[in-house]
Amino acid sequence: AQSVTQPDIHITVSEGASLELRCNYSYGATPYLFWYVQSPGQGLQLLLKYFSGDTLVQGIKGFEAEFKRSQSSFNLRKPSVHWSDAAEYFCAVAPYSSASKIIFGSGTRLSIRP
Amino acid sequence: ETGVTQSPTHLIKTRGQQVTLRCSSQSGHNTVSWYQQALGQGPQFIFQYYREEENGRGNFPPRFSGLQFPNYSSELNVNALELDDSALYLCASSAGQGEPYGYTFGSGTRLTVV
Repeated sequence: AQSVTQPDIHITVSEGASLELRCNYSYGATPYLFWYVQSPGQGLQLLLKYFSGDTLVQGIKGFEAEFKRSQSSFNLRKPSVHWSDAAEYFCAVAPYSSASKIIFGSGTRLSIRP
Repeated sequence: ETGVTQSPTHLIKTRGQQVTLRCSSQSGHNTVSWYQQALGQGPQFIFQYYREEENGRGNFPPRFSGLQFPNYSSELNVNALELDDSALYLCASSAGQGEPYGYTFGSGTRLTVV
């Protein structure tokens, strides 16, 4: 069965510091991969997505993610975080054969230290 | 272009009651998916509707049912509410069946079962 693991439940970084949120997936083939962000009491906003091609994907708000097939990982990065980046981040996968069903990880809560 | 609109935003129901949640898709979108997000968890796929037909279902009992209307708006119905049904219910729309373009999510309906 497909699954997504986000090993870090909560991360705190200082404003201006770099950020990396980890995501590992389990699936027999390369799935579609997504990162979403959720602010408190809000819905999910798509940050970026990977389907094929260049393994380094650029997203909105200065985020990027790198797909590493050998490690089954799709880590999210940002070179310099801002206080407004504090939120919950979800990695998600959709099986190639059925992109209609998105499977989410349990999320990583990001706090920003002033 | 309007986004995805969900109503109501908050709802309190008693165990055993029935509830209907509503979702208006983003303009031009004909596919609607529903997700349940329990506190501190990632969203879990309930089901998807494409052109008024159910198109995939997650691991939820039959008391979770849905409808999609000709204008592509949608309803999620839950019968015989249980305390564990307390969650944020998210609706997401997309431009096609299985298209891997990500989904536009609404802000959700917070359901509390007491």
